[in-house]
Amino acid sequence: DTAVSQTPKYLVTQMGNDKSIKCEQNLGHDTMYWYKQDSKKFLKIMFSYNNKELIINETVPNRFSPKSPDKAHLNLHINSLELGDSAVYFCASSLQRTPLHFGNGTRLTVT
Amino acid sequence: AQSVTQLDSQVPVFEEAPVELRCNYSSSVSVYLFWYVQYPNQGLQLLLKYLSGSTLVKGINGFEAEFNKSQTSFHLRKPSVHISDTAEYFCAVSGVQAGTALIFGKGTTLSVSS
Repeated sequence: DTAVSQTPKYLVTQMGNDKSIKCEQNLGHDTMYWYKQDSKKFLKIMFSYNNKELIINETVPNRFSPKSPDKAHLNLHINSLELGDSAVYFCASSLQRTPLHFGNGTRLTVT
Repeated sequence: AQSVTQLDSQVPVFEEAPVELRCNYSSSVSVYLFWYVQYPNQGLQLLLKYLSGSTLVKGINGFEAEFNKSQTSFHLRKPSVHISDTAEYFCAVSGVQAGTALIFGKGTTLSVSS
């Protein structure tokens, strides 16, 4: 009955590879987000989708591409992974102006 | 645009002592304010929020925060902490308009020892 679930929990890959992280929410929320938490625990918004429409797109490299097939899903695809992409990626969701609900994160390690 | 400054990166306290984690924000528009807690290797959990109304808001686990518009602050307090309160605490702000992002401070590590 997890509210916001991300898969995988851990992802270890080599530089240059392409990988995807999936996110699903069963809260009936209409807005979903991707945040990146770096090694210093700083959280930065990457993308936000409202009803499958991109509404926030921060200065993120083009190698990162979000995809929202429906309101309950927001996936993150990363091309040509770099060492600096190593971080914890959090998916979150909200309904209109309610507080964000976060998933447990995906720890990405690029070697 | 909004920004958040958490004034202390680390706060060590003894068990049962009071604690205050400080947060200041900057914004040219009206804001909503939040405190989140992150336990090791977990996601973020909402502690409390200020949307409107009473400036003193109470949250889970005995925490409370006071919104001070003149000082642009939203400090988090707890009168008596437990070992289990050891975690990372994040202050966050968003504009009240739909579509504005939730912006986080850099976090404060609260370490409670016996």
